[in-house]
Amino acid sequence: ETGVTQTPRHLVMGMTNKKSLKCEQHLGHNAMYWYKQSAKKPLELMFVYNFKEQTENNSVPSRFSPECPNSSHLFLHLHTLQPEDSALYLCASSQGGDSGGQETQYFGPGTRLLVL
Amino acid sequence: EDKVVQSPLSLVVHEGDTVTLNCSYEVTNFRSLLWYKQEKKAPTFLFMLTSSGIEKKSGRLSSILDKKELFSILNITATQTGDSAIYLCAVEADRDDKIIFGKGTRLHILP
Repeated sequence: ETGVTQTPRHLVMGMTNKKSLKCEQHLGHNAMYWYKQSAKKPLELMFVYNFKEQTENNSVPSRFSPECPNSSHLFLHLHTLQPEDSALYLCASSQGGDSGGQETQYFGPGTRLLVL
Repeated sequence: EDKVVQSPLSLVVHEGDTVTLNCSYEVTNFRSLLWYKQEKKAPTFLFMLTSSGIEKKSGRLSSILDKKELFSILNITATQTGDSAIYLCAVEADRDDKIIFGKGTRLHILP
């Protein structure tokens, strides 16, 4: 068990829909991450939160909006997506803090998103 | 229960040594196995393996998959200090369309 859960596991949405992905970690970690995994680009970092503060936004389009209400929960709000946004969205968590970035990350199973 | 197990969890060697990292898996409806190198925040992609016995190579790094014995190895020859990182193995499964990560091997290369 990774201790990181993601819901929903699968999502199909139209380009005009608004939906949210949810990630929850039960490991007592302070850092959480959103990644996009696609066939063209395996594992692209999107956002990083450390102690609920966003510390990294990897030039992600504004149609993706993250939210981290507390250290255990991370959301990714989606609106007016494009078909090329179809991918597997992965959440991960790590201990957090100032460790130079090389921390073991624990990944959730991912949400498979299809944008029609 | 699907799982991916990496060994060793950590490894310290001297520059110039050759290392072998292991990844074993038990996953229903295997699709592919991926190796990543994590130096800072985000892992970077190294290899994707789908077929048994075919070695993938990139410079000093190489990897091979054995689908009968359910494992893969990542070899690094003539190691350099820049190879110090966490190496992650992950397996994609067709059923549930999910990806399962191992806990990684932390490799440290001494100068």
